[in-house]
Amino acid sequence: LAKTTQPISMDSYEGQEVNITCSHNNIATNDYITWYQQFPSQGPRFIIQGYKTKVTNEVASLFIPADRKSSTLSLPRVSLSDTAVYYCLVGDIMGGGKLIFGQGTELSVKP
Amino acid sequence: EPEVTQTPSHQVTQMGQEVILRCVPISNHLYFYWYRQILGQKVEFLVSFYNNEISEKSEIFDDQFSVERPDGSNFTLKIRSTKLEDSAMYFCASSVLKDRDKNYGYTFGSGTRLTVV
Repeated sequence: LAKTTQPISMDSYEGQEVNITCSHNNIATNDYITWYQQFPSQGPRFIIQGYKTKVTNEVASLFIPADRKSSTLSLPRVSLSDTAVYYCLVGDIMGGGKLIFGQGTELSVKP
Repeated sequence: EPEVTQTPSHQVTQMGQEVILRCVPISNHLYFYWYRQILGQKVEFLVSFYNNEISEKSEIFDDQFSVERPDGSNFTLKIRSTKLEDSAMYFCASSVLKDRDKNYGYTFGSGTRLTVV
């Protein structure tokens, strides 16, 4: 499983776009990149997943460069309720493998 | 949206007692997991379960822990003799095998806060 590195914390203001970058230099060919969000005292919640280029859903976008050694989670126009810990995970999603969580990025959105 | 349901939400137990944490995974999911998170620390993998048997377990998941899917809908984690250091949030999760080209993710429950006193 590829090791990931992401900032420990970030601050933002309501209405801003937030970009959280994750490095995963040892990503393997079969690995996908997945981001989770966790609020205090709740379980992690799947946000978005991708393999290459760009993926967008109703809550976020995920940008993955051609070498796949990093990825950026983009949250458009954040609100106070986006204050949470965001985890970047890298692994082969087939076969029900375990998820290895790092420390994540603690995003604080201020008014 | 389908949910993973965990009960109880909070359990207080005395050291040395047995506890059973219960989970109802999403009905068409095939893989089931338990994770735990000690306060202020990372989410840690405990065990994965597929086809009625453990497929992988971590070092944390020692002989004091066991899992069971007793009736095709519930998935339980038993801690035989709890220790103070077992105090943590325990999360159940489930997932379903899909094609690599399709987005999917694990679904976690809201957790059981276990406090061992």
